[in-house]
Parts: sequence; structure tokens; C-alpha cells
Amino acid sequence: AQTVTQSQPEMSVQEAETVTLSCTYDTSESDYYLFWYKQPPSRQMILVIRQEAYKQQNATENRFSVNFQKAAKSFSLKISDSQLGDAAMYFCAYRISTFSGGYNKLIFGAGTRLAVHP
Amino acid sequence: DGGITQSPKYLFRKEGQNVTLSCEQNLNHDAMYWYRQDPGQGLRLIYYSQIVNDFQKGDIAEGYSVSREKKESFPLTVTSAKKNPTAFYLCASSPRDTFPYGYTFGSGTRLTVV
Repeated sequence: AQTVTQSQPEMSVQEAETVTLSCTYDTSESDYYLFWYKQPPSRQMILVIRQEAYKQQNATENRFSVNFQKAAKSFSLKISDSQLGDAAMYFCAYRISTFSGGYNKLIFGAGTRLAVHP
Repeated sequence: DGGITQSPKYLFRKEGQNVTLSCEQNLNHDAMYWYRQDPGQGLRLIYYSQIVNDFQKGDIAEGYSVSREKKESFPLTVTSAKKNPTAFYLCASSPRDTFPYGYTFGSGTRLTVV
């Protein structure tokens, strides 16, 4: 069964600094998708960034970028120039496809709580 | 604006009661999902539905039930048989072929057993 592991329950960073959140996953599939979601105190889940496994190039969205290591099954999130508004719970997620109908089921890690200090 | 509406925001349940959490979307998405969020455990899938009148059990479906009579609506009932239902519940939706869109989430319902 596919699993997603986030080994850092909590992280902290100083404003304007860079922080990296770790995520590893286990799968036997060769084609899949990976996501990072942000959940601020409002608890609204927000998609931060996504990565297709067949792409070697790491995805980037403004201050957010990933380091995707397919062989190592690692998918870390780097936040550059951290801002107070980045403080949130961050979830790594893996997309599984079943055989019937291509159902899109996301499997989530346990999350990493990021604190940003001024 | 299109989105997902979950109601109520807070819900209290007495022992022995069934309660229903509402989830409505106006995104014209085919697929809808219910997740449960507990501290330290991330999100776990309860039920999902790809089309009207069809739904599938997720990883923790016991003690829950759903219906999908309309494309826009996917209510979740927490039955009296469910032990420890206190948690945060998130509804989500996606187009049938979801990538690169991922999920759109609602703002959640906090359920507390009193």
C-alpha cells in the first residue's frame, strides 16, 4: 500500500530565511503525482505546488519549490524568503489511481507544522 | 464565485445520535470526497463518489454513510455506531480527470461529541 511520511512534526524559521520540509513516500507505481498543501489557522486547505513523476524538472511556484528525487522517493518543499503568512500546517500528498475509472484518491502525510518568527 | 460550502462550521453530537454534515459544490465537478482530520494523523479518506448515485468506501468508512443524489451535494452522516467521531471533517471535489487541478476543499466542519 502506498504511504506518505513526513518525519518533521514541527519546524520553525526566521522571517526572510529559507526552510525545507521533508516528505518521503512508498509506491510501486512509475507514474504518479505529488502535491504539497498548506492549511493555515483558518483550516482551509490550499494547494501550494504539484509535481508529475514523469517530469525530471522540479516544480516551482514563486517562493515555493520542490526537490523531487524519484529514485529515493523523496519530495521536499523549499520555502524561500519566508513570510509570516507562511505559518501553517503543510501536508504532502500522493495521488493514487485505481484500476477502474481512474479514480483520483489522494494519500496524505501526517503534516508538518511550520512556525515563522519575526 | 465557485467553491465548496460545508455546513455547519461547528457541530455537537450527543451520544446515540446521528448527525449529518453538509457539503455543496457549484464547480460542476464530478468527483467528491470526505476526509477526516485528526491531530498527528493527517487526512484519512472516509468515502468518495465519482458520479451521481455511486460512491465507494475509503479507508475508514465504518460508522459513516453518504449519499449522492445530486451532482452538487455529498452529505456525510455520522451514525450513532461511530466511536470517537470527534474530529475535523473536510469535503473536497475534483473534475473527473483531476490533474493538474488537484482537489478543491471546503472550509471544514468541526464535530464534537458531548
